[in-house]
Amino acid sequence: GDSVTQMEGPVTLSEEAFLTINCTYTATGYPSLFWYVQYPGEGLQLLLKATKADDKGSNKGFEATYRKETTSFHLEKGSVQVSDSAVYFCALYIGGSYIPTFGRGTSLIVHP
Amino acid sequence: EPEVTQTPSHQVTQMGQEVILRCVPISNHLYFYWYRQILGQKVEFLVSFYNNEISEKSEIFDDQFSVERPDGSNFTLKIRSTKLEDSAMYFCASSENARNQPQHFGDGTRLSIL
Repeated sequence: GDSVTQMEGPVTLSEEAFLTINCTYTATGYPSLFWYVQYPGEGLQLLLKATKADDKGSNKGFEATYRKETTSFHLEKGSVQVSDSAVYFCALYIGGSYIPTFGRGTSLIVHP
Repeated sequence: EPEVTQTPSHQVTQMGQEVILRCVPISNHLYFYWYRQILGQKVEFLVSFYNNEISEKSEIFDDQFSVERPDGSNFTLKIRSTKLEDSAMYFCASSENARNQPQHFGDGTRLSIL
């Protein structure tokens, strides 16, 4: 079945460090890929998305590129802030589905 | 920006009791969803709802669960006889349409079963 694998957390960084959170997927078709962010005490918010191979999604300084050859959608940010501390979820929608498959989430902790 | 609202933010219930979690989806959205997130685990799909009926449900969504849209704005999840393992965050979501569209999530209700 379809699945999403994310790197284990927590990821702990100092402010202004470079961030990478790995996400790989397995899918029987051609999924759309998403990153959601969950700030403490809040629900999930869509961070960025990409709907086809080689698309790059970007928002708030974060970006991720849909790599079909490596079945990956790694999240990156050049300079993290304390306010970026949250849990990040990679997700995919396959075909015409409206039910996303989520990864387990990766906690990011940014220290001043 | 319109948002999905959920009440209560935290519900504490005795095992075996019924509980109703409430959600107000975004007003022009047509598709509604419930998800569950057990502490430290992934977000799990429970059920989707469209046109006043369940359109898809997971194996988690057994006979103890039911959903309802009692009026034009609320969307509820009922658990008839709660078990300890029902303790989790429950998220409501809605989307304007289906098919690869991102969903808008509420802040969740933390359900604690004692």
